[in-house]
Amino acid sequence: RKEVEQDPGPFNVPEGATVAFNCTYSNSASQSFFWYRQDCRKEPKLLMSVYSSGNEDGRFTAQLNRASQYISLLIRDSKLSDSATYLCVVNGADSWGKLQFGAGTQVVVTP
Amino acid sequence: EADIYQTPRYLVIGTGKKITLECSQTMGHDKMYWYQQDPGMELHLIHYSYGVNSTEKGDLSSESTVSRIRTEHFPLTLESARPSHTSQYLCASSGSALGGLNTGELFFGEGSRLTVL
Repeated sequence: RKEVEQDPGPFNVPEGATVAFNCTYSNSASQSFFWYRQDCRKEPKLLMSVYSSGNEDGRFTAQLNRASQYISLLIRDSKLSDSATYLCVVNGADSWGKLQFGAGTQVVVTP
Repeated sequence: EADIYQTPRYLVIGTGKKITLECSQTMGHDKMYWYQQDPGMELHLIHYSYGVNSTEKGDLSSESTVSRIRTEHFPLTLESARPSHTSQYLCASSGSALGGLNTGELFFGEGSRLTVL
């Protein structure tokens, strides 16, 4: 079983709509969680960290559910520029904290 | 923008050649990483480094080797390139975990796209 699992999609979303997707992780001792965004043939970039109480950054909302070991990302009022692959990233529990990347969820926002 | 640079961006080379992919960062980060990613596929960690003179193999076995003689420099070398090495190689760095916000943020270079004929 992979340490971080994501629905690969694609999620086809009309412009202006809301889309949400989850990511599950297997290591219950994981401490830090992130969403990265990767555009086609580009490098990944940090979108937002995920805090225990949930957090919002503009149109993006991230939630953490430790009991069920998943994190979620919700995008409101989708823009064409939101089309990308969203990578779920989990920091391991060891002192070094090696990051584990999910395979990504592809989102395609259509006009 | 992140201050991490990779060269070459694109390389087409014949089988059996030795290649070195360069990665440099000017942020003073202690941790550096090499990931391999095929088109449309997930990232695989192939090497990482805690700091100078420290290198470790990642989750995906790789025939490449790395060195960390200086904090800012983390080159990856393939002694004898093969077609199976064709892929994109992404270098990244991160600062020490200080307990602050965004701990563990990775800054990626733009990648080196390698094609071995």
